[in-house]
Formats: sequence, C-alpha cells, structure tokens
Amino acid sequence: AQSVTQLGSHVSVSEGALVLLRCNYSSSVPPYLFWYVQYPNQGLQLLLKYTSAATLVKGINGFEAEFKKSETSFHLTKPSAHMSDAAEYFCAVSDPGGFKTIFGAGTRLFVKA
Amino acid sequence: DAGVIQSPRHEVTEMGQEVTLRCKPISGHDYLFWYRQTMMRGLELLIYFNNNVPIDDSGMPEDRFSAKMPNASFSTLKIQPSEPRDSAVYFCASSSPHRRETQYFGPGTRLLVL
Repeated sequence: AQSVTQLGSHVSVSEGALVLLRCNYSSSVPPYLFWYVQYPNQGLQLLLKYTSAATLVKGINGFEAEFKKSETSFHLTKPSAHMSDAAEYFCAVSDPGGFKTIFGAGTRLFVKA
Repeated sequence: DAGVIQSPRHEVTEMGQEVTLRCKPISGHDYLFWYRQTMMRGLELLIYFNNNVPIDDSGMPEDRFSAKMPNASFSTLKIQPSEPRDSAVYFCASSSPHRRETQYFGPGTRLLVL
C-alpha cells in the first residue's frame, strides 16, 4: 500500500526566506510523486512531478523537489518565498500506472511580509 | 481549453434531499476522477472512470453515493438522500491518455447539507 506523510500542517516563513515543505512516502513499487498547490476556493494545480527520470525536479513558480530513495523523501523547496506563494500544498504518490493517487494531509504555507 | 468545469460551484440543501454534482472533463481526456475534501479526512478519491467505464469505486462511502459517466464529456455524482456529514468540497479531475499521471482539477463544488 502507498502512503504519504507531510510533516507540519502549517509552515510560516518570511518573504524572501527559504521555503521547505517536507514529504515522506511509502510505496512497495517505484512511485510517481507529485506536489500540488491549492489556492483558496480553487482546485489543485500541479506544481511538479517525479516519474523516475531526474531525481531533482523543477516545477512552476520557482519550486523544485528532490527524490531521495534512501530517505523515502520528496521535499519541496523554493529559495525565496513570495507573498503569492501563500497557499496549501499537497504531496501525493501514485503507482507507475498513475491510476490511483494518494494525497497527503496538506501543509498550509504562510508568508510574512 | 476551458479546463475541467464543475457545476454548481456552491450547493446548500437540506438533509434528505437529492444532490447532483456535475463535471465536464477536458476534451480528449479519457480518465475522470471524483474526490471529496474535508478538514477531517483530507482529499479522498471516491471513484474513477476510464473511457466512461467505472474502474474503481472502492472510495465511495456508501450506497447513498452514485456516479455515472454517460459520455466522454459529462459525469455526475449523486447523493441520495443527503446527510449533514456529506458536507464537503467535491472535486472532479481528468487526465489524458498521454500523461495519465497528471490530473487536472476543476474548481470544486462546495456542498453544505443542513
């Protein structure tokens, strides 16, 4: 069975500071991994995905994530936070078929001026 | 492309009433997913279709919930009778045969059952 754990339901950073959102996964098969962002009153939007190619994945809005098999992690980072990054972020895992995606509980990112 | 379209965006109903949520996937996408999002349980997959055929409905909470996809451009999620615990945001998502793992989400329907 696959599962995702997001460490920290809330993360607060200052504008311009590093953003680090943590995600650990469990999967019995090589996984596909995703980060989605959800702005208030909107659906989820794909930020980036790992599908067994390069372990460092670059996404939209300056975000990137690194797949570390030894640590079963897929943490999301951005060097410099912007006010517009304030949103909820979801880590997700699926099998290579991509049929069934399991989402984490989400981490709400707050950005202080 | 207009993206995934869901209607209504908001629905308020009374316990016992029938509720129908609608979804139009992105043209050319052959997978359609229905999710429910609540504070307590997060984002849960309810059911998904491939080429209009239900593939996995193991996430449907109980018999009061049903979903149909009569054609490639339309799907419904019905709750009958509705209960207050069904209050949630319901999302529809679709994916293409070429990038099956990437799901595109609609804006959601916020349901409140009184």
